[in-house]
Amino acid sequence: DAKTTQPPSMDCAEGRAANLPCNHSTISGNEYVYWYRQIHSQGPQYIIHGLKNNETNEMASLIITEDRKSSTLILPHATLRDTAVYYCIVRGTTSGTYKYIFGTGTRLKVLA
Amino acid sequence: DVKVTQSSRYLVKRTGEKVFLECVQDMDHENMFWYRQDPGLGLRLIYFSYDVKMKEKGDIPEGYSVSREKKERFSLILESASTNQTSMYLCASLGAALGSPQHFGDGTRLSIL
Repeated sequence: DAKTTQPPSMDCAEGRAANLPCNHSTISGNEYVYWYRQIHSQGPQYIIHGLKNNETNEMASLIITEDRKSSTLILPHATLRDTAVYYCIVRGTTSGTYKYIFGTGTRLKVLA
Repeated sequence: DVKVTQSSRYLVKRTGEKVFLECVQDMDHENMFWYRQDPGLGLRLIYFSYDVKMKEKGDIPEGYSVSREKKERFSLILESASTNQTSMYLCASLGAALGSPQHFGDGTRLSIL
């Protein structure tokens, strides 16, 4: 699985957009990008994923660069409840590549 | 929504005990996983299963075994608990559709005294 690099921490004002970057420069053609978040003492919560195209759901938007070497998770109107550690993961789709490798993630703090 | 349910949020056991952690998913997913999460070490895969009665070792299977007798249920067994198995244990499930995400339970925080 490709290695991902994320900034260790970020702050965001409540109500503003939070833009969380992820670098995955060694991603291969069949690998998807997944984003999760984890609030202390809970399991990781799935947010969004994509392969090539930008994606949007009720929680967030995912922007993937054309060369697929990086992506950005956008929380459009951050609230205090979005304070969490956010993980970007790249994973293949063939049997034997299902394992997730969680890095250290980005600790997002939403400020009132 | 996918629901992955772990039997206990918090568990305290003694050294040498046999410990069972249970996980149930409600989405008829083929694949299920057990991870442990420790500060500074991230998530590490213990075992996974891609079908009933099938299992594969992950990165750190020593001291653990698993059981998958029914598709919806995946059990992690600590044969003889030791203090270095104190950790947060996370179960996940994954469907067969291409690119599907893993869905995690809320975790079991296990303390071995």
